[in-house]
Amino acid sequence: DAGVTQSPTHLIKTRGQQVTLRCSPKSGHDTVSWYQQALGQGPQFIFQYYEEEERQRGNFPDRFSGHQFPNYSSELNVNALLLGDSALYLCASSFGTRLNEQFFGPGTRLTVL
Amino acid sequence: EDKVVQSPLSLVVHEGDTVTLNCSYEVTNFRSLLWYKQEKKAPTFLFMLTSSGIEKKSGRLSSILDKKELFSILNITATQTGDSAVYLCAVEVGGNEKLTFGTGTRLTIIP
Repeated sequence: DAGVTQSPTHLIKTRGQQVTLRCSPKSGHDTVSWYQQALGQGPQFIFQYYEEEERQRGNFPDRFSGHQFPNYSSELNVNALLLGDSALYLCASSFGTRLNEQFFGPGTRLTVL
Repeated sequence: EDKVVQSPLSLVVHEGDTVTLNCSYEVTNFRSLLWYKQEKKAPTFLFMLTSSGIEKKSGRLSSILDKKELFSILNITATQTGDSAVYLCAVEVGGNEKLTFGTGTRLTIIP
């Protein structure tokens, strides 16, 4: 079992560009949550996908959007990148709402110049 | 707005010492409190607490929740260099199915 995988590992973009991050959940998991972790901060909830629909959303602007595919994998898209979007983006998967069984991926480090 | 506050922000101790990490919270409709260890990137699950006064224990780590005073502590005894990490506290709010994290405590163990 590969656990939660994310790609790419690192990414460098410039202001105004768009980025897509990808996540494959742990085998048997059907729910994917995305978090943004700025340097020195705790993870902040972006949104959660279940059955290919956004189920919950945190306080993030519409520039942040996502998608879940029939195989439960997910993408996070960020448009019109700002310097403040530089962070570690973590994907976590779980079966339903069992948050104590939520597994985190290694994250994607996004740097916006 | 839901809030989770951890203290101290950072802590440096010698190997063998005992440490106590604190987490306080102000949330509506509390469901559970979770502790994670983050060494490099992926946070790994340590404990989930839902009831007051019941200690959860795993080896040298233990944690307890006080729902009246709205806080939790994480204790690590006989610390080892492998315990060096950021320890994150998160609260699950009922009906929201998401976690609200604190800033974390960076623990450094000196050999």
